[in-house]
Amino acid sequence: DQQVKQNSPSLSVQEGRISILNCDYTNSMFDYFLWYKKYPAEGPTFLISISSIKDKNEDGRFTVFLNKSAKHLSLHIVPSQPGDSAVYFCAASARAGNNRKLIWGLGTSLAVNP
Amino acid sequence: DTAVSQTPKYLVTQMGNDKSIKCEQNLGHDTMYWYKQDSKKFLKIMFSYNNKELIINETVPNRFSPKSPDKAHLNLHINSLELGDSAVYFCASRFQGSWEQFFGPGTRLTVL
Repeated sequence: DQQVKQNSPSLSVQEGRISILNCDYTNSMFDYFLWYKKYPAEGPTFLISISSIKDKNEDGRFTVFLNKSAKHLSLHIVPSQPGDSAVYFCAASARAGNNRKLIWGLGTSLAVNP
Repeated sequence: DTAVSQTPKYLVTQMGNDKSIKCEQNLGHDTMYWYKQDSKKFLKIMFSYNNKELIINETVPNRFSPKSPDKAHLNLHINSLELGDSAVYFCASRFQGSWEQFFGPGTRLTVL
């Protein structure tokens, strides 16, 4: 049972336009959400996060929106650049005893075309 | 300086062999993880250690045994390797009070 879902395995966008990556979750206990970016043959790297008490967090070209009632979050990249081409993972955090566990989506492969 | 490093980067071995993957972090973090990313690209947590103590142990065959000699190292030993163990294994670390996990570059394990 996948608690974090990224229903679009791939997305192709023109350079300069907006990229919107979506993520849905099922567990209402998640209280923190993160987006990671992954290039081939590298580990995921942290991009941006949002607490469940907020509905928006912005960092430069990257903005994450959270809709708790819909259990949905999205990552907006504007303007998109060819260097943004990577796999983007959505992850949600829930407390597991004294530790925090990240539950990951399957990722969305973004291709930004020049 | 590499923050989270893993060795080896690639590992090709025969079924039935025993192998180890090593992970080291120089960030001073107190929590370390092992993840498995299978052929379907699903990134799944296997183990988590906090200050050398096992915190999370997901449903993983007991052929997999993590060992944390100190806070900066978390190694993964796999006995009697099977074809289904072929995957990319990622090590990660974080401060317990922080949300962000830092990942190593991954170890691609291929079992023939």
